[in-house]
Amino acid sequence: DAGVIQSPRHEVTEMGQEVTLRCKPISGHDYLFWYRQTMMRGLELLIYFNNNVPIDDSGMPEDRFSAKMPNASFSTLKIQPSEPRDSAVYFCASSLGGQHRARGYTFGSGTRLTVV
Amino acid sequence: DQQVKQNSPSLSVQEGRISILNCDYTNSMFDYFLWYKKYPAEGPTFLISISSIKDKNEDGRFTVFLNKSAKHLSLHIVPSQPGDSAVYFCAASRLSGGSYIPTFGRGTSLIVHP
Repeated sequence: DAGVIQSPRHEVTEMGQEVTLRCKPISGHDYLFWYRQTMMRGLELLIYFNNNVPIDDSGMPEDRFSAKMPNASFSTLKIQPSEPRDSAVYFCASSLGGQHRARGYTFGSGTRLTVV
Repeated sequence: DQQVKQNSPSLSVQEGRISILNCDYTNSMFDYFLWYKKYPAEGPTFLISISSIKDKNEDGRFTVFLNKSAKHLSLHIVPSQPGDSAVYFCAASRLSGGSYIPTFGRGTSLIVHP
């Protein structure tokens, strides 16, 4: 099992540009989560999906952020337009059923985004 | 408003000694508590959890203690090893929107000196 795969690992972009982060969850997992990590706020939940359906997007900071999950094996997080304050590490995580309650998620290695 | 707090940003311990990482929470509705470990340039990995109906859970060198009356939990690592050097995140879960979603603390950076 390759685990949760995120791409790219690093992204440097100019302010105002569109950024797309990608995630492939573990095969068979039906929950997918997007988190953002910053020094100031720690790990914040942005949005999560269950069976490809967005369940809670209350953590998405602004309308500039959007997330999709067109199928069970792929999700994207898009920022348009990007701003310097969006610089952070973005993590994707997946889990099977309600197992994450006691057994946690499986996280990807993250995408470090720098907006200059 | 932080519902899960890790008040010590860092901790330094000598190899072989005990490491104690602390976590406080404010919401009495949390019913599962988890610890994650994170190495640089990697995602967090699940370490150990405890249900709110228990006060202790042990897994090898790692033990988590829960004090519900004080809304406090701690992770003990005995003996500490240099490979334990990482950032440790405390998380607390409660049922929300039909699923158990954790709230994370900001993490404690543990350094174990040889």
